[in-house]
Amino acid sequence: EADIYQTPRYLVIGTGKKITLECSQTMGHDKMYWYQQDPGMELHLIHYSYGVNSTEKGDLSSESTVSRIRTEHFPLTLESARPSHTSQYLCASSRPGTPAGTLHFGNGTRLTVT
Amino acid sequence: TQLLEQSPQFLSIQEGENLTVYCNSSSVFSSLQWYRQEPGEGPVLLVTVVTGGEVKKLKRLTFQFGDARKDSSLHITAAQPGDTGLYLCAGGNTGNQFYFGTGTSLTVIP
Repeated sequence: EADIYQTPRYLVIGTGKKITLECSQTMGHDKMYWYQQDPGMELHLIHYSYGVNSTEKGDLSSESTVSRIRTEHFPLTLESARPSHTSQYLCASSRPGTPAGTLHFGNGTRLTVT
Repeated sequence: TQLLEQSPQFLSIQEGENLTVYCNSSSVFSSLQWYRQEPGEGPVLLVTVVTGGEVKKLKRLTFQFGDARKDSSLHITAAQPGDTGLYLCAGGNTGNQFYFGTGTSLTVIP
């Protein structure tokens, strides 16, 4: 049962368009993350948030931006899409735990920029 | 950046064989997690290990955390086609930051 939802699942868009990838979770988790993943490869952290009005950049430089106005919602925006942005984008939230939390992932948005 | 290297990167085996996947780092982590990802889906947590030397078993899967908490291994006994997927290790720190390994793509041939 999915408690973290990403839309759209697939998106094909032309160069220069502005896009927003949606991510919502119903678990009340404070921490949320965006990862970028090429098919069958490792995950790269591009953004994360510790809670409302908190956003940080991850290890992989990204031209995208994020916002966290509500606990359950963590959208990612690309102002001007380019072919280099073609990838899968995975959203996750973290259940607190001592000493380790647990990441819950959505099913991802596969973005293709033509 | 805390880099985790997984080996092998790709593995194709026959049903019934055993295999081991390794996850190595030069950094110490407070926890080490293993996830499995199937095509078109997000990764799903398999196990979390937190104590150096800890061993956990999940049916045919055995997970071990190195004594120094820098490395981990995943051993699968009698692999089945349902085990096919991308296996990812992730090192965690006390700030709930997770650093993912380079991934191991496993194919089990019936």
